[in-house]
Amino acid sequence: EIVLTQSPGTLSLSPGERATLSCRASQSVSSNYLAWYQQKPGQAPRFLIYGASSRATGIPDRFSGSGSGTDFTLTISRLEPEDFAVYYCQQYGRSPTFGGGTKVENK
Amino acid sequence: EVHLVQSGAEVKKPGESLKISCKGSGYSFTSYWIGWVRQMPGKGLEWMGIIYPGDFDTRYNPSFQGQVTISADKSISTAYLQWSSLKASDTAVYYCARKGLLSTQNWFDPWGQGTLVTVSS
Repeated sequence: EIVLTQSPGTLSLSPGERATLSCRASQSVSSNYLAWYQQKPGQAPRFLIYGASSRATGIPDRFSGSGSGTDFTLTISRLEPEDFAVYYCQQYGRSPTFGGGTKVENK
Repeated sequence: EVHLVQSGAEVKKPGESLKISCKGSGYSFTSYWIGWVRQMPGKGLEWMGIIYPGDFDTRYNPSFQGQVTISADKSISTAYLQWSSLKASDTAVYYCARKGLLSTQNWFDPWGQGTLVTVSS
């Protein structure tokens, strides 16, 4: 099983700032099969990024993903008030696993 | 528009059985895998298993194999997650979610609204 470790656990930022979230895999993620999700309190996760760097339909371009192999990054270029949430990475190889999440909170 | 609508919250006692549901609409239900994901209180997401309603092929996360049963009824476009004997540790929100169409698209989108299962004596 591929273990995904997300860091930091919590990121305290202000609207307009840049957020950089990390997701590190215990072994190489084949074909960059890495996705990102956003979850707000009391809501289901929302699909953001697939293939490590491709935005899902309707996702604003302030969200971008990068990385390969074992190290991946989700960047939010300028935080909007609605972006404060928990973000999860997921590798979607043969047996999917999720990271533990990074909470982006309003400072 | 694609929708997954889950059954409502449940409160059960330890040892009881339970079956929760997830109804798909707006797409060909038999053409997409449906997965189940657990979220324990204040915790992250855990993939439990997945079913292909077209032929009922089912795969489980080894951590959940034997603990739950995933099934589907394609005549009513509904997937199910069931327990034969609940434990307090099964208390969680359970989400269903549709997998991408192709075998290389193992991400989940969209998701159901979640079903809160509370197990308490």
